[in-house]
Amino acid sequence: DAGVTQSPTHLIKTRGQQVTLRCSPISGHKSVSWYQQVLGQGPQFIFQYYEKEERGRGNFPDRFSARQFPNYSSELNVNALLLGDSALYLCASSLVQGPNEQFFGPGTRLTVL
Amino acid sequence: QKEVEQNSGPLSVPEGAIASLNCTYSDRGSQSFFWYRQYSGKSPELIMFIYSNGDKEDGRFTAQLNKASQYVSLLIRDSQPSDSATYLCALNDYKLSFGAGTTVTVRA
Repeated sequence: DAGVTQSPTHLIKTRGQQVTLRCSPISGHKSVSWYQQVLGQGPQFIFQYYEKEERGRGNFPDRFSARQFPNYSSELNVNALLLGDSALYLCASSLVQGPNEQFFGPGTRLTVL
Repeated sequence: QKEVEQNSGPLSVPEGAIASLNCTYSDRGSQSFFWYRQYSGKSPELIMFIYSNGDKEDGRFTAQLNKASQYVSLLIRDSQPSDSATYLCALNDYKLSFGAGTTVTVRA
């Protein structure tokens, strides 16, 4: 079975630009969560979606938004990019929402210049 | 105070030894915990989860949870060079709250 997939693998943007990251969960999984990991730190929670609805949001500015589609794939959008947005963006897939196992995709490495 | 605290290390152990990793958490109501392994440049990989007080063993890995003292630990027995990675402790409710990770180096 295919695991969690994310695209693109790497991305370079300049300050002020907008970016869209994509994620496809494991087949049968209905919940997708997004995390940001900066170098030397653990991942930080951004959003969780389940059945196309936002079920949780971390302490990130409104420049960050996301959505989930009927096929359970998800997009994370970041507007007005700042240098500090440079990070590894991770998508995690789980069967349902709530405290259950979450499996990570390979991540998207975003560099903001 | 951060929800989850880990010793950042690095922790260096000889091949064949036991690596011991510790994690403390602040929310006494926390119920479940995950351990992830992350190789450099890769995404986290789930290696163990624990919900109940006591020990849980899976191959060379043993997770220990003590809810009264609010700590969770991971033991890696017979450490191998391939175990060299950063180990992340995560408190699990609807989202994962991670510690900063402990970097382990196994010396051949």
